[in-house]
Order: sequence, then structure tokens, then C-alpha cells
Amino acid sequence: SAVISQKPSRDICQRGTSLTIQCQVDSQVTMMFWYRQQPGQSLTLIATANQGSEATYESGFVIDKFPISRPNLTFSTLTVSNMSPEDSSIYLCSAIQGFYGYTFGSGTRLTVV
Amino acid sequence: AQSVAQPEDQVNVAEGNPLTVKCTYSVSGNPYLFWYVQYPNRGLQFLLKYITGDNLVKGSYGFEAEFNKSQTSFHLKKPSALVSDSALYFCAVRDITGANNLFFGTGTRLTVIP
Repeated sequence: SAVISQKPSRDICQRGTSLTIQCQVDSQVTMMFWYRQQPGQSLTLIATANQGSEATYESGFVIDKFPISRPNLTFSTLTVSNMSPEDSSIYLCSAIQGFYGYTFGSGTRLTVV
Repeated sequence: AQSVAQPEDQVNVAEGNPLTVKCTYSVSGNPYLFWYVQYPNRGLQFLLKYITGDNLVKGSYGFEAEFNKSQTSFHLKKPSALVSDSALYFCAVRDITGANNLFFGTGTRLTVIP
């Protein structure tokens, strides 16, 4: 299955600033997903990113807050904009190969102070 | 809509004893079910999946899961727990009505006591 390199692994950011998280996949994948894992909670889907089209956001997530890029079939970025302490979470990217081959990045632990 | 439930937030088991982490699901159509494990400060690691075929699925690190259609369950099991199995376990189902992403349960923290 595909291997995803995600960076940064962690960051501490000032409120009001933005952070861009990158995910690089070692093979071409059609669909990529971005999840948020708030402290002590499960994973919640933020959006689906397909190459060549705008990302599709889940209820409660908006493009202005979480802009996503998907310039090609191996790369995607998620930006967390105008951060507040409530944005402190782990952010994970995921990709699917074939019909059932889901793989995940190692996650970005974000702390907003 | 697809959903999974993990009724136990925490499971404690003595080292060497069998372990079970419970998961029930609700789907329209055929379920595609997954188990993942998350160690501290790490991403998600795939353990096993059920797509079709044998109800008993064998996965990584000696884990297995039994698909039970009548009980809509997909419990994760291991015959003999190791201290190193202590981690956070997630059951997930493929969301075939949406973007084909995985929809995750709330997670179960497994602690294996030496």
C-alpha cells in the first residue's frame, strides 16, 4: 500500500496565524482525505481532496478556515487559518489505493497558544 | 448512513490473557469494516479489514476479528495480550454513501497490565 510522508510532525503556533500541513504520497492516488482528531476523541473527516477539482468539505468545516490544495496525484496540503486554541488537534491525511487500501500519514500535532 | 459504535472507552486485560475490543456497525448494504491502532504520538496503523469471504479475519500482530452479520458486530480479538498491545484502537467503516472515506468509532483504549 501507499506510504504517506506528512509534515510537520508537530508545531506550536500563535493564535491568529496559519499553518500549512503537507502530505506526500509515494504513488499516485485518486482520493485523499484530511481528518482532525481533537484531544481524546475520534477522527473527524474535514474534507476530501481530489486532483483537479475543489475539495469537498464536511458539515462544520469551511474552505476559508481549512483551505486545501491538491495540485497532483501524489501531493496535498491543508492550511489551518487564523488559528485559535480550539484548533489544537492532531491533523491526519489519508489516501486510498484501489477500493480498500486506506493509508494514513503519521499526523501533525498542532498546539495553538 | 454508516456508523460504528465502540461501547467501551477503556479495556484492561492482564498480560497473557485473551483480549476483546468490541465494535458494532450500522450500514446500508454490505459493510466494509476496518480496525486500526494508534500508538502515542504515532499515526494510524492498519490491523485488518473485512470486505467479503470468511467471517474470521486475521491481521497484523496476531490480531483477528470476527464478522457477525446477525449481531452486526466486528469484534477485535487476540488470544494472548502483550504489554506492547497497549494503545488506542479504532473500528471504522467505509462510507459508501459519501466520499468513500472511513467513518471511525470513538476509539477504545486498551491497557495490558503486566
